[in-house]
This record gives sequence, C-alpha cells and structure tokens, in this order.
Amino acid sequence: DAGVIQSPRHEVTEMGQEVTLRCKPISGHNSLFWYRQTMMRGLELLIYFNNNVPIDDSGMPEDRFSAKMPNASFSTLKIQPSEPRDSAVYFCASSFKGGGETQYFGPGTRLLVL
Amino acid sequence: SQKIEQNSEALNIQEGKTATLTCNYTNYSPAYLQWYRQDPGRGPVFLLLIRENEKEKRKERLKVTFDTTLKQSLFHITASQPADSATYLCALYVYQKVTFGTGTKLQVIP
Repeated sequence: DAGVIQSPRHEVTEMGQEVTLRCKPISGHNSLFWYRQTMMRGLELLIYFNNNVPIDDSGMPEDRFSAKMPNASFSTLKIQPSEPRDSAVYFCASSFKGGGETQYFGPGTRLLVL
Repeated sequence: SQKIEQNSEALNIQEGKTATLTCNYTNYSPAYLQWYRQDPGRGPVFLLLIRENEKEKRKERLKVTFDTTLKQSLFHITASQPADSATYLCALYVYQKVTFGTGTKLQVIP
C-alpha cells in the first residue's frame, strides 16, 4: 500500500487566495483526519470523518476553513481566503476504525501564506 | 478541555543510555494513550498503544507505562542509538477524540 497520499507537498500563496489541500487515505480505512501543526501550538485536530461523514469539526478555526469527503478515497481541505497565520504543515491521517485507533499520517503539506 | 504536558521540549542523552520521556495529562483519564515518533519533514508514525487497564507495554527496546493515579505515562528507549533521535509525541484518546501533546525532541549523542 502506498500509505496516505497528500498533495501538494508544498504550497506558497499570497494572502487572500484560495488554497485546496488534497488527501487520499489508505484503502479500507474508514476514518480520515485533518491536522495542523505549528511550533507554537503543536499538532491540532481540525476535523475528522467517519465513513465520509464529518463527526467532529470543532477544531476548524473559522469559517474560512472547510473540508469535504465526497467518497472513501478522497478528501479536501480548503482555506478561503487564506491569511499569513494559516501558514503551517497540514497533515492528513487515516485509521481503520475510528477516532482512537492507530492513525497513519501522510507526509504533510507545508503551506506558506505571504 | 484535556491538557497534555510532555516533560521537556528537548532531551539529550548519551548513546547506550536509557531515554525516559514523560507525558502528563489533566482532567479526564483517557481510555488509552499512544506514542508516536516524528522525524523532520515527515508525519508522525505510531509506536505503541497502552490501555487504561494496562500498566506496562513493551516492544523491542521500547517500554511504555501508564499510571492513571498519577495521570502520567512514561516512554522508555533502552540502549538508545543515534537513529532514535526524533520528536516523540504522546496522544490521548478521551471521549472519542484524540489529543496530541506538543512532543519532546530527543537527541542521542554518539
């Protein structure tokens, strides 16, 4: 298995632009998680899906952030409009059963908003 | 909300010694606790899981303990090697939600 796949690996954009991050979970996993990691705040859970349905989005910082999972093999995290404080590494992770099972992380997308 | 503290931001030890990392938490006791390893530029990788009714778990040179009275988990790496240098994160599972600590950066000096 290729593991969790994320794209792009790096993204540099200007403030106000729309940013879309993509994730392909491990085949057969039915839970998917989006995290944001910064030096100041560590690894923060933004949202997680179970069977393509959002279960907990309490970590989504504000309305500028949205996430979708149209099918079991694809998810997007969108920021619109982006701001410099959104600069971070965004990780996608998937697990077999649910929120507490072992999570398999992707390589992350390093986002820089200028 | 759950608060997690990992003993220090960085820990330096000599090769061959045992590294001990601490994870303390407040408020509710987790159903279980996990430890992950993260290398620079990569996502965290799962190492060990210990449940609330288990006191100790081992895997090769790794050992995790879980004391629900002290609200603490200890992560040990015996006979440490330079290749063990990485950031180690603990993660708590409480009420169907996983919360990660900020991590401890371990440096094993040859």
